[in-house]
Amino acid sequence: DQQVKQNSPSLSVQEGRISILNCDYTNSMFDYFLWYKKYPAEGPTFLISISSIKDKNEDGRFTVFLNKSAKHLSLHIVPSQPGDSAVYFCAATAHQGGKLIFGQGTELSVKP
Amino acid sequence: GAVVSQHPSWVICKSGTSVKIECRSLDFQATTMFWYRQFPKQSLMLMATSNEGSKATYEQGVEKDKFLINHASLTLSTLTVTSAHPEDSSFYICSARILGMSTTFTDTQYFGPGTRLTVL
Repeated sequence: DQQVKQNSPSLSVQEGRISILNCDYTNSMFDYFLWYKKYPAEGPTFLISISSIKDKNEDGRFTVFLNKSAKHLSLHIVPSQPGDSAVYFCAATAHQGGKLIFGQGTELSVKP
Repeated sequence: GAVVSQHPSWVICKSGTSVKIECRSLDFQATTMFWYRQFPKQSLMLMATSNEGSKATYEQGVEKDKFLINHASLTLSTLTVTSAHPEDSSFYICSARILGMSTTFTDTQYFGPGTRLTVL
């Protein structure tokens, strides 16, 4: 049972344009969501997070949007840069548990 | 920022031997650490939750006797793969949990760089 889903395994974007990565979840108990960036053979790097009491959180070029009614979140990167090319994982947790449930990841390729 | 280290970064061993992987939080204390496993092109799968001073909590399907976890201090957790076999070859990643670090989030995990285990 995949509780967190990233349905796009890959995404290709031109440098300078917006990258939009999507994530859906099924468990209504999740109340905290995170995005991680991962390069091959490295551990994930925390990017940005959002609590379920918010619908938007912004940090520099990265913005995460949360639509609780649709159980959907998205990560916007603008402007996209070649260095953003990596695999992006969304993750969710219920406050009490602390366990992160990860999506399958989306490989972003930003072309110069 | 929060730094988590892992050692070794890669290891090759013969089938039947045991391998120990260390996970350290370098600039903070972590009461809870997590161990994940990642197969190529797949997501990170949580193996177990490691709490300082108590027994680890294993996820369903993970063999406790095969993957021994010890969280001896607030900055160190170890994962020992006992009697390793080729099917245990994988990328193992630990993370350490920080609570209440800022007003913008209440719970974030910071990950180590991972350990590539190859069992021949």
